[in-house]
Amino acid sequence: AQSVTQPDIHITVSEGASLELRCNYSYGATPYLFWYVQSPGQGLQLLLKYFSGDTLVQGIKGFEAEFKRSQSSFNLRKPSVHWSDAAEYFCAVGDTGTASKLTFGTGTRLQVTL
Amino acid sequence: NAGVMQNPRHLVRRRGQEARLRCSPMKGHSHVYWYRQLPEEGLKFMVYLQKENIIDESGMPKERFSAEFPKEGPSILRIQQVVRGDSAAYFCASSLDAEAFFGQGTRLTVV
Repeated sequence: AQSVTQPDIHITVSEGASLELRCNYSYGATPYLFWYVQSPGQGLQLLLKYFSGDTLVQGIKGFEAEFKRSQSSFNLRKPSVHWSDAAEYFCAVGDTGTASKLTFGTGTRLQVTL
Repeated sequence: NAGVMQNPRHLVRRRGQEARLRCSPMKGHSHVYWYRQLPEEGLKFMVYLQKENIIDESGMPKERFSAEFPKEGPSILRIQQVVRGDSAAYFCASSLDAEAFFGQGTRLTVV
């Protein structure tokens, strides 16, 4: 069965600092990978996705992620964090047959200090 | 183009009552997914439906929970005889192909 691990439950960074959120997955085939962001009391917004091709994918709000098959990782990065980026971030892997049937990690809560 | 619409946004039910959650997918989307988010946890897949068909219900509890997506109207997630442990945020997502779009969720509180 597929699984997603987000090892960092909570991360605090200063505004303007760089950010990397870790995500490791377990999946037998080439995965469909996603990063979502959730603000308090809100739904999920898709930041970026990887299906195939270039392993460095660009998303919205200045985020990017790199797929590394050898490490089974799909880490999310941003070079300079803004206070409005404070939220919960979820990594997810999609089922081969049904990409929108997602297995989520437990999330990383990002706090941004001014 | 309206997004995925869920209602109500907040629902309070007493133990033993029924909860009915509605989801209208994005226009043109024929796939609907329901997820549950327990406090301080990630989302867990419950059920995948297409119009008039349940495709995958591997994440649905065996009792008290049911889902439908009729030919006309929204998808409905029904929880009968709710218990305190059903308190959670329930999210609906719709897709046309491989990208899922999520609604704002329904936050169910069982008192």
